[in-house]
Amino acid sequence: QKEVEQDPGPLSVPEGAIVSLNCTYSNSAFQYFMWYRQYSRKGPELLMYTYSSGNKEDGRFTAQVDKSSKYISLFIRDSQPSDSATYLCAQGGAGSYQLTFGKGTKLSVIP
Amino acid sequence: GAVVSQHPSWVICKSGTSVKIECRSLDFQATTMFWYRQFPKQSLMLMATSNEGSKATYEQGVEKDKFLINHASLTLSTLTVTSAHPEDSSFYICSARPEVQETQYFGPGTRLLVL
Repeated sequence: QKEVEQDPGPLSVPEGAIVSLNCTYSNSAFQYFMWYRQYSRKGPELLMYTYSSGNKEDGRFTAQVDKSSKYISLFIRDSQPSDSATYLCAQGGAGSYQLTFGKGTKLSVIP
Repeated sequence: GAVVSQHPSWVICKSGTSVKIECRSLDFQATTMFWYRQFPKQSLMLMATSNEGSKATYEQGVEKDKFLINHASLTLSTLTVTSAHPEDSSFYICSARPEVQETQYFGPGTRLLVL
């Protein structure tokens, strides 16, 4: 069974704040984790792609995977109004080409 | 790198007509491509998985005779909505999986409106 749980929000923060987005998953067999950003009326854009536990940083974005607690997070530092979008976490791997997506968290960064 | 294009970006058609949507991986080869449907304020719904040179695998509840998928090359998959009806109006998004990765790269989506 593949399940990824994600709080849909909405989440509203002031510009410059640190944003924390979280997901939990149930199936440990799928060990690849992704974060996508989707602007309204656009396709999802891959932000982060991780495999191992720990942190992966890319600019203002940090993806964190804790396999012991089955918890994945995305941190956004110095958030900008342009970060306002829906963020989707996803899980994949184990020979299955499909990804399991969370329902997405809608983020608004207020100037 | 890892760019996926979709064409057209939006289409309006009359009820009963067929509409073809193209999905191309521009800078990588994709043995597997996916087609999703998304309704307003809802998450992605996987419609089908297509592998180059073979028949697509459809998710439960998706009519394969209505949504025809062809994956004729490693960089091109097409979705044809046959005899479209207003309830088929939606946002259709494709994605492509590079051969050596476990992730997917998405196209920009096609908005279909059936009158």
